[in-house]
Amino acid sequence: RKEVEQDPGPFNVPEGATVAFNCTYSNSASQSFFWYRQDCRKEPKLLMSVYSSGNEDGRFTAQLNRASQYISLLIRDSKLSDSATYLCVVNADSNYQLIWGAGTKLIIKP
Amino acid sequence: EPEVTQTPSHQVTQMGQEVILRCVPISNHLYFYWYRQILGQKVEFLVSFYNNEISEKSEIFDDQFSVERPDGSNFTLKIRSTKLEDSAMYFCASGGDTGELFFGEGSRLTVL
Repeated sequence: RKEVEQDPGPFNVPEGATVAFNCTYSNSASQSFFWYRQDCRKEPKLLMSVYSSGNEDGRFTAQLNRASQYISLLIRDSKLSDSATYLCVVNADSNYQLIWGAGTKLIIKP
Repeated sequence: EPEVTQTPSHQVTQMGQEVILRCVPISNHLYFYWYRQILGQKVEFLVSFYNNEISEKSEIFDDQFSVERPDGSNFTLKIRSTKLEDSAMYFCASGGDTGELFFGEGSRLTVL
């Protein structure tokens, strides 16, 4: 089983719609969870950290489900500029190494 | 706003040559990383560096690779005797205690 698993997509979504991604992780001891966004041929950029209580930043909501070992990202009122690959990142046992999902590609269409 | 900077942005080299990729992490960060991404593929962890030594490395990071932090600001990745399959985008990242990473814009390496 892959350590961090994401649906690669692409998700083709009309502008203004709500879209949600899940990411599952295998290491139950993981403590830190992140969503990164990567535009084509650009570096990954931190979108948001995922806290146990869930967190919201504008149109973006991230949630953690420890029992089922997954994190989710919800994007409301999607914009054309949201088109990107969304990467799920989970820490390994040590603090130094983060395990990266392969990413979910999102395409927002006008 | 502090940022991670990388040089060169693009390097073309012949197979078998040595390459050094340079990074200046964010100044108050303690953890430094190199990742690579082959075109169209996922981000792959190479190595992490903390307290002036390698803390973790992946299977990719074999004897062909080395890292240094020679002067307290630069963080370099050296690739000895490059191979065709080393062609990729190499990202440097730095982070503090939160686990959040900040990436440089990457150095694209093309091995001919």
